Amino acid sequence: QQQVKQSPQSLIVQKGGISIINCAYENTAFDYFPWYQQFPGKGPALLIAIRPDVSEKKEGRFTISFNKSAKQFSLHIMDSQPGDSATYFCAAARMDSSYKLIFGSGTRLLVRP
Amino acid sequence: KAGVTQTPRYLIKTRGQQVTLSCSPISGHRSVSWYQQTPGQGLQFLFEYFSETQRNKGNFPGRFSGRQFSNSRSEMNVSTLELGDSALYLCASSPGQSPDTQYFGPGTRLTVL
Repeated sequence: QQQVKQSPQSLIVQKGGISIINCAYENTAFDYFPWYQQFPGKGPALLIAIRPDVSEKKEGRFTISFNKSAKQFSLHIMDSQPGDSATYFCAAARMDSSYKLIFGSGTRLLVRP
Repeated sequence: KAGVTQTPRYLIKTRGQQVTLSCSPISGHRSVSWYQQTPGQGLQFLFEYFSETQRNKGNFPGRFSGRQFSNSRSEMNVSTLELGDSALYLCASSPGQSPDTQYFGPGTRLTVL
């Protein structure tokens, strides 16, 4: 019940395309869903986060879509750029213990020029 | 503000030894969390400290321990190292509110031979 399942494992997108990464969770107690971006040799960095009271949140080229009934959420990267090539992790947590992140397995994104 | 600092960045130990890793959080942050990152298991929560008290612990054996000092700096210790302890150990700090953005350091790469 603590798992967060993430797909795909890897993704190749052409420059300018849309990258879509999906995650699913089981624990309905989770109410905080952040996405992290990690470059080689660096720690993960927060991209964008959502709470279940909204179905979509957009920040620049990054959008999270959230489906509470299906217990799924996804990250859309519009106009993908080569600089977006990194590993992306979805995560889930309870807001009252948001330091205890349950991470998905990660998606390695490659954006080709 | 300076980011999260972790020392050392790289460490090589042999089985049976013990190791201590250090984390200096962002100035003013009172919460420090530790995560283990491996290719097989992904990112897993180890424990979290707030104001020198451990608030939560992940599913790791007792060989993994930590502490936090009055200046919020934290250390984690792994005793009787096993080959499977080879991993990137990440420290994250946050102000200590809910929900908190976790700011990750670059990690300490531990190799156990």
